[in-house]
Amino acid sequence: KAGVTQTPRYLIKTRGQQVTLSCSPISGHRSVSWYQQTPGQGLQFLFEYFSETQRNKGNFPGRFSGRQFSNSRSEMNVSTLELGDSALYLCASSLDWGTGVSQPQHFGDGTRLSIL
Amino acid sequence: GEDVEQSLFLSVREGDSSVINCTYTDSSSTYLYWYKQEPGAGLQLLTYIFSNMDMKQDQRLTVLLNKKDKHLSLRIADTQTGDSAIYFCAEAYSSASKIIFGSGTRLSIRP
Repeated sequence: KAGVTQTPRYLIKTRGQQVTLSCSPISGHRSVSWYQQTPGQGLQFLFEYFSETQRNKGNFPGRFSGRQFSNSRSEMNVSTLELGDSALYLCASSLDWGTGVSQPQHFGDGTRLSIL
Repeated sequence: GEDVEQSLFLSVREGDSSVINCTYTDSSSTYLYWYKQEPGAGLQLLTYIFSNMDMKQDQRLTVLLNKKDKHLSLRIADTQTGDSAIYFCAEAYSSASKIIFGSGTRLSIRP
């Protein structure tokens, strides 16, 4: 069974640009979550999608947005990039039956975004 | 509040046992996780324990949970060089599909 796949693995952008990251969850997983990992702040929750709806959101500005498609694949978008957005962005998927009980999350290898 | 704390570094001799400790604050958490991160990689789910369990053993890994003290530990028996990594403790809630992570413990192995 294939794991969580994130593309691209590496990305270099400049300040002010926007970027879209992609995540394909494990087959059958309907919940997709996004996290930002930086040396200073550690791992921080961005948002979670289930059945094409944002179900939970962390404390990030509106420049960070996401969406989920009917096949559970998810994209994350960051607009007006800032130097501080340089980070490893991790996607995780979990088997969720919509019962409100969380299931273990499985992570991809991440997209490393560098802002020049 | 949501907070998970763990020590930043641990150094052990090859062949010894490693014990990584973690404390958390929210008693309503349902799952407690241990993830492993190697350089340049994502997070690998090592093991997890339900909040109504005290212990879980999986080959070289033993997880102990003390709910009263909100303390979680991961013991790695017969530590090998391949165990060198950062280990993250994390808690999840039934009402929210998000995970709160600790800052990670960097495990280094001495020959």
